[in-house]
Amino acid sequence: DAGITQSPRHKVTETGTPVTLRCHQTENHRYMYWYRQDPGHGLRLIHYSYGVKDTDKGEVSDGYSVSRSKTEDFLLTLESATSSQTSVYFCAISGTSGYNEQFFGPGTRLTVL
Amino acid sequence: KNQVEQSPQSLIILEGKNCTLQCNYTVSPFSNLRWYKQDTGRGPVSLTIMTFSENTKSNGRYTATLDADTKQSSLHITASQLSDSASYICVVRANYGGSQGNLIFGKGTKLSVKP
Repeated sequence: DAGITQSPRHKVTETGTPVTLRCHQTENHRYMYWYRQDPGHGLRLIHYSYGVKDTDKGEVSDGYSVSRSKTEDFLLTLESATSSQTSVYFCAISGTSGYNEQFFGPGTRLTVL
Repeated sequence: KNQVEQSPQSLIILEGKNCTLQCNYTVSPFSNLRWYKQDTGRGPVSLTIMTFSENTKSNGRYTATLDADTKQSSLHITASQLSDSASYICVVRANYGGSQGNLIFGKGTKLSVKP
């Protein structure tokens, strides 16, 4: 998985609780991304980062915030989890050369009850 | 609206047979097209990436084609194996300035290879 880890890999939580997912890379890539994957939908971009402390919103950013204080770590926070945020979350990274190919992490399965 | 449509949604084939997956897109301006393989419970893994000037690219038993004029791509799998059972995702990158949030994902084709 191209030097990308996600934690936790599985989480069950209750509606209204805050949740933080972590993505860690060892590739020193500039760009990092958070996606969600749901049945019947393609992967959808939540937020991305183009450098330390530099982030931007994606297609489905409502209800999510991110932070990147170090090159290697990108955190996704659900301030108050809702059942509609039950999903599989993938982190991805990419560099700045060639095709800017994205490499994906193993995913985190989040269930909000 | 930028879209990527894949067909079929699902496909079952016998081990050793060939198959072809389709991808049609309406993304503009076009930068490149990627095919990913996603095993159950895993993240997507890149198979091929093609720009508009490349009309065929192979990766082992996987061959992708691109027709930039008709905005169609296909992924051909030769002599299928049980390990080919996975979802195959077509992804098109739009050429919006310097933004990195510009990949458009298809919903994928779920391939099952049976013995």
